[in-house]
Amino acid sequence: AQKVTQAQTEISVVEKEDVTLDCVYETRDTTYYLFWYKQPPSGELVFLIRRNSFDEQNEISGRYSWNFQKSTSSFNFTITASQVVDSAVYFCALTVNSGNTPLVFGKGTRLSVIA
Amino acid sequence: DGGITQSPKYLFRKEGQNVTLSCEQNLNHDAMYWYRQDPGQGLRLIYYSQIVNDFQKGDIAEGYSVSREKKESFPLTVTSAQKNPTAFYLCASSLWGTLSNQPQHFGDGTRLSIL
Repeated sequence: AQKVTQAQTEISVVEKEDVTLDCVYETRDTTYYLFWYKQPPSGELVFLIRRNSFDEQNEISGRYSWNFQKSTSSFNFTITASQVVDSAVYFCALTVNSGNTPLVFGKGTRLSVIA
Repeated sequence: DGGITQSPKYLFRKEGQNVTLSCEQNLNHDAMYWYRQDPGQGLRLIYYSQIVNDFQKGDIAEGYSVSREKKESFPLTVTSAQKNPTAFYLCASSLWGTLSNQPQHFGDGTRLSIL
């Protein structure tokens, strides 16, 4: 069975601070995919990134960066120079390649960026 | 614009009543999903469908029913058997391929409350 743990329930930072959201996953499959989604107050989930298990390169997209480490089963998400618009709930999710398995979501981390 | 439309945005149910939540997508996606979101619980999968006229139960299917008569539509009925239906319901869709590795696109959600 697959599992995703986001240990940080809520984080508050002051604008312009850097913040890292942790994600730890569990799976016995060797081929799997990791995702991050953002849920702003409006409610819809917005896809941010997908990473497959064979690609351990870190990725940077503007102020967002992701650190994938198979050795620690982690896929952490860092926001640099946070802004108020980054305030949202962020979800990490996992699925495996065997048997059309739907996404398993973590419980989410609520990020509040204070001006 | 292409996307997923959920309606209504807010819905109230009386005790013993069935209600149906609408989900329509014009993204030409094969797979569609229904999730339930409760505070602190993350997203839990209710039902999903990979193809027209076929669907599978998710983790919390009891008290819910779905149909997939058209590719673009995946309505969810919350039956009177669902004793605690108050929650935020999210519909999603994704491309077919392996079900696993395609990002899901989400609607804006329906908030269901009990009168």
